[in-house]
Amino acid sequence: QPVLTQSSSASASLGSSVKLTCTLSSGHSSYIIAWHQQQPGKAPRYLMKLEGSGSYNKGSGVPDRFSGSSSGADRYLTISNLQSEDEADYYCETWDSNTWVFGGGTKLTVL
Amino acid sequence: QVQLVQSGAEVKKPGASVKVSCKASGYTFTSYGISWVRQAPGQGLEWMGWISAYNGNTNYAQKLQGRVTMTTDTSTSTAYMELRSLRSDDTAVYYCARVTMVRGVTWYYYYMDVWGKGTTVTVSS
Repeated sequence: QPVLTQSSSASASLGSSVKLTCTLSSGHSSYIIAWHQQQPGKAPRYLMKLEGSGSYNKGSGVPDRFSGSSSGADRYLTISNLQSEDEADYYCETWDSNTWVFGGGTKLTVL
Repeated sequence: QVQLVQSGAEVKKPGASVKVSCKASGYTFTSYGISWVRQAPGQGLEWMGWISAYNGNTNYAQKLQGRVTMTTDTSTSTAYMELRSLRSDDTAVYYCARVTMVRGVTWYYYYMDVWGKGTTVTVSS
């Protein structure tokens, strides 16, 4: 079963860009993942599905500032022109044989 | 619009059971699955299990096997999650999420693309 590894925290300044990483465990580097955003006190929100090729499909209403990319076992979420409302926890998720796995989440602080 | 509406907050005593509902609207219920995910206070997301709204097939997280049951009522487009023998560490916000399938020529993949707002379950004596 795959394991997803995320840094526990990240920070970046208002108006800048940040790249969050989700790393798939050995043997699972081709897996598709999904990124979810959880603002404080709210339910998670689906952001995008991201393939190993770097191709991604965003959910309805997700701003253009959010994009995805991939390199090997790493899956990235890039947020450009950071806004205060982007301060949130970001989780990656993947699936294997009717079992789902989440990464531990990255807490993003907007300075 | 696609949405999942969950039932209200619950307070239960240790050893009791809780049943949370998740009513879907805005899409064909039986064309998707439903996953249940919980989040203990200050913690990350924990997948609990999945049910196919098409045929009722389920798969539960190993740590919850024997205590959790997921069902659907296709006549009302509602999914249910029942957790029994509640303990204090079951205190959490419980979310339902729609599960969507995508497929390629030789592969398929499932992911969660719509979330409910959550149901707080507090277990306390």
